[in-house]
Amino acid sequence: AQTIHQWPVAEIKAVGSPLSLGCTIKGKSSPNLYWYWQATGGTLQQLFYSITVGQVESVVQLNLSASRPKDDQFILSTEKLLLSHSGFYLCAWAGGSQNTLYFGAGTRLSVL
Amino acid sequence: GDSVTQTEGQVALSEEDFLTIHCNYSASGYPALFWYVQYPGEGPQFLFRASRDKEKGSSRGFEATYDKGTTSFHLRKASVQESDSAVYYCALGDLMGYKLTFGTGTSLLVDP
Repeated sequence: AQTIHQWPVAEIKAVGSPLSLGCTIKGKSSPNLYWYWQATGGTLQQLFYSITVGQVESVVQLNLSASRPKDDQFILSTEKLLLSHSGFYLCAWAGGSQNTLYFGAGTRLSVL
Repeated sequence: GDSVTQTEGQVALSEEDFLTIHCNYSASGYPALFWYVQYPGEGPQFLFRASRDKEKGSSRGFEATYDKGTTSFHLRKASVQESDSAVYYCALGDLMGYKLTFGTGTSLLVDP
């Protein structure tokens, strides 16, 4: 069975500080991976997707970047956090018998 | 672009009430339609999907039927339980195109 793990579970960061969030998927070879962002009480907004190592496509510009250094790993980062970056970050993989998205447990980010 | 409009805000019901959450979509082509459920502090969980006109998706007592004529995919459940309290998201997309677009979410609160 596939498992998806996100880290850290939560972060409290200062405006202007750097950020790195991670996601690892096990049990799935060459998965399509996604980053979504959810403002508190808001909907899910797709940020990036990646279909292979070293290749990332940006969907929305939010002064964030993403990388896929390994087949099973997806990283979200920025060098300078903004207040507007606060929210819930979700990693997901696509596939399965239902050809749908399966989400991780998320990382709660508070920027102060 | 593609968009999803669903029942806004919160729906408050009592146990054993009938549930309807409306979902209408706007899209070019023939998108797949999805329902997800999100419990507090967790990532969204896939409920079910439908891919063609008149197809019914169902899971855990919830169901919805793809209606191309009215561009709708309304979520229904005959008898809700307190444990169904969560936020429900309608989504449309094409994972071959690497994109899933979510509605704004509907919060369901079921009183025991």
